[in-house]
Amino acid sequence: DTAVSQTPKYLVTQMGNDKSIKCEQNLGHDTMYWYKQDSKKFLKIMFSYNNKELIINETVPNRFSPKSPDKAHLNLHINSLELGDSAVYFCASSQVRDRLTGELFFGEGSRLTVL
Amino acid sequence: GNSVTQMEGPVTLSEEAFLTINCTYTATGYPSLFWYVQYPGEGLQLLLKATKADDKGSNKGFEATYRKETTSFHLEKGSVQVSDSAVYFCALSKGGSYIPTFGRGTSLIVHP
Repeated sequence: DTAVSQTPKYLVTQMGNDKSIKCEQNLGHDTMYWYKQDSKKFLKIMFSYNNKELIINETVPNRFSPKSPDKAHLNLHINSLELGDSAVYFCASSQVRDRLTGELFFGEGSRLTVL
Repeated sequence: GNSVTQMEGPVTLSEEAFLTINCTYTATGYPSLFWYVQYPGEGLQLLLKATKADDKGSNKGFEATYRKETTSFHLEKGSVQVSDSAVYFCALSKGGSYIPTFGRGTSLIVHP
């Protein structure tokens, strides 16, 4: 049973298209995250979301938007894709009461290539 | 703001060599500190953590000690194996948003 699963694992698309990456966690966690990892392995937070609060990294373009239909899902929508959006996107989850001392559980990543 | 600085890789070692990957942080107060590991083609997974000064985290032969005076959390292993080849990330989490901040990652390559 995969704890945090992302789909698709690979996504190749053209500039200007709109795409989504789905994330589901079966750990019962109440907080989910999206991170972007660039080609140099830098890992940057994009969003953090629980049922009370959405925290957005102010450097993230508004073409990116998180959508959470329920506590177990946090999908990432990207509009008008650009070449610079090519990266690996990681979904993660944690339990808010453990957030200072607890760990994040990561999905396997979704590699997005924009042509 | 909070930040984590890691030594730039790749770090290339022979099997059974001693490993140190340096990590220093900038944060007010008392953050929790973590090391995550990313094996090829996989997501990150927690390797070890320390939540207060002088704590030592350890797992799978890896160790790191939370040094408040030097704001450091260096990762060490006495004898590395080929299977330790991966990218290692230092991270911190503290009050406020509690969103973990990661370092740039250090690639470790271990040759037989």
